[in-house]
Amino acid sequence: DTAVSQTPKYLVTQMGNDKSIKCEQNLGHDTMYWYKQDSKKFLKIMFSYNNKELIINETVPNRFSPKSPDKAHLNLHINSLELGDSAVYFCASIPPSGPQYFGPGTRLLVL
Amino acid sequence: AQTVTQSQPEMSVQEAETVTLSCTYDTSESNYYLFWYKQPPSRQMILVIRQEAYKQQNATENRFSVNFQKAAKSFSLKISDSQLGDTAMYFCAFMKLTSGTYKYIFGTGTRLKVLA
Repeated sequence: DTAVSQTPKYLVTQMGNDKSIKCEQNLGHDTMYWYKQDSKKFLKIMFSYNNKELIINETVPNRFSPKSPDKAHLNLHINSLELGDSAVYFCASIPPSGPQYFGPGTRLLVL
Repeated sequence: AQTVTQSQPEMSVQEAETVTLSCTYDTSESNYYLFWYKQPPSRQMILVIRQEAYKQQNATENRFSVNFQKAAKSFSLKISDSQLGDTAMYFCAFMKLTSGTYKYIFGTGTRLKVLA
């Protein structure tokens, strides 16, 4: 069983569209993250969701909105996509002991 | 604020040789965790090794070991008997738990290429 899954794995879309990336973890963790990895491989934290508290990185545009329907899911919705949003987006789940379990990533390409 | 620095953007090593990747961090905390993650071309992020700051003994996982120097705030990764499958980006990460909230900081990564 996949511990952390993301769908879709690849997403190609036009500028201005709205898209969502789904993340699900079956590990029972309370904490989940969204990361953006740019072309230089820098990992930037976007959001963390811990015990029903959403912590937003202030540098993330408000076009990005995380949604957590339940503890096992933390989805990422992006409005009005821009070229600069092209990247790989990773979801991760974290147990109390700390190491992150990453999803396989979603490669987003905005044309 | 905590920072994590990986000063080697790229490294290469011959197959079967040993290589050490450096990582330094800055924190005023005394209790924290350190990790090394590997990201092969498949882009999946994989945990390689972890170290709790309160433990003096260096962590080891098969061919992977760390040299944890708490006073120097250094956390280097040694890969012994390098294999072609070790070719990947390696990220050092710092984590602390404060008031029930995790704070994770990643370094900028070191691209390691293992040569046949």
